Amino acid sequence: GESVGLHLPTLSVQEGDNSIINCAYSNSASDYFIWYKQESGKGPQFIIDIRSNMDKRQGQRVTVLLNKTVKHLSLQIAATQPGDSAVYFCAATADSGNTPLVFGKGTRLSVIA
Amino acid sequence: DAGVTQSPTHLIKTRGQQVTLRCSPISGHKSVSWYQQVLGQGPQFIFQYYEKEERGRGNFPDRFSARQFPNYSSELNVNALLLGDSALYLCASRPDYSNQPQHFGDGTRLSIL
Repeated sequence: GESVGLHLPTLSVQEGDNSIINCAYSNSASDYFIWYKQESGKGPQFIIDIRSNMDKRQGQRVTVLLNKTVKHLSLQIAATQPGDSAVYFCAATADSGNTPLVFGKGTRLSVIA
Repeated sequence: DAGVTQSPTHLIKTRGQQVTLRCSPISGHKSVSWYQQVLGQGPQFIFQYYEKEERGRGNFPDRFSARQFPNYSSELNVNALLLGDSALYLCASRPDYSNQPQHFGDGTRLSIL
């Protein structure tokens, strides 16, 4: 089955710097990937998604990169702000959403003012 | 627009008891999924429902059951509660059964004494 892992459990960045959070997945059949942000006491909040026919997608201050060759994706946050402090999860699914979302363990991002 | 709503927000039970958790999806969303999140981990898939039919089940014992109603709301039932069932239970919805992001509620925090 699928397993999803994040490379670093914690990440500290200075306010205004760019953040990069990495994630690896194991199932080569995974074709849809989502990044979520979870603040304390709340449910995961959708940030950005990417399908396997793309290798890059940009949102507001966020970019997701997908490398299917090495089964790796990353979330880049530009000009990190204190409000970006949270736990970030990547999740993967296969078969166009017909298989359950598999989450990684999460990376806690701390922004230093 | 209202997001995914879950009730209750917190619940304390003792071992051996039964619990029912409730979820109302975003208006117009027909697919509901349930996840269990233990402290320090990513959400783990329990059930997925679409159009009132079970479409997937995770690696959870038969003590866990769920259903979806004609208005697309859903209940998760857990019987014979164990200490290890203490977790945050999350509900997520999406419009249909395809590659679209799931949107999460803030969960029910279940504590077993």
